Amino acid sequence: DARVTQTPRHKVTEMGQEVTMRCQPILGHNTVFWYRQTMMQGLELLAYFRNRAPLDDSGMPKDRFSAEMPDATLATLKIQPSEPRDSAVYFCASGYRLAAMNTEAFFGQGTRLTVV
Amino acid sequence: QQQVKQSPQSLIVQKGGISIINCAYENTAFDYFPWYQQFPGKGPALLIAIRPDVSEKKEGRFTISFNKSAKQFSLHIMDSQPGDSATYFCAASMTSRGLTFGQGTILTVHP
Repeated sequence: DARVTQTPRHKVTEMGQEVTMRCQPILGHNTVFWYRQTMMQGLELLAYFRNRAPLDDSGMPKDRFSAEMPDATLATLKIQPSEPRDSAVYFCASGYRLAAMNTEAFFGQGTRLTVV
Repeated sequence: QQQVKQSPQSLIVQKGGISIINCAYENTAFDYFPWYQQFPGKGPALLIAIRPDVSEKKEGRFTISFNKSAKQFSLHIMDSQPGDSATYFCAASMTSRGLTFGQGTILTVHP
């Protein structure tokens, strides 16, 4: 049963601490997305990668957020330092893009982050 | 600015009824329009998707209607069931881009 796996599922941290969220995309997928979901803003695209290369991270606050793909089986999203306004559910999604086709995105279960 | 506007915010339907959710977009470069279903505590799951060269797509009880000239598309859920109660998101994207989501519609189907 292929699925996107995200860890941790829940994280409570104090303001100013570093937070790292991890994502294992579906094996064989070449595109990874990071989204953030809040009641006020809904689902927002933070960044996405294709073949491990970052294509767009314009949705991320550059001063505190960073996203990487150390290898094809791991994507990470880091927040340093974390702030209460970062509290949200962070979703990773993966997909496989062929040529000029759009990428169907499969979402993980999300990481619920609470910054106190 | 890329935007997708979704309505209504919430919808209550009786079992067996038709649920209709509407979305409008601004960017004519969008060429892929999926609908996602999300249950509490879960990630969004792709329900059905359409491309602008087609005016309608049906999969089981779910139908997307697409009006390119009006820049609108809608999801119809026929014979709505209590198990369909969830939050539904429309989305749009351009080739090689991530998805831009609507604000979501909370659907409640009463038995």
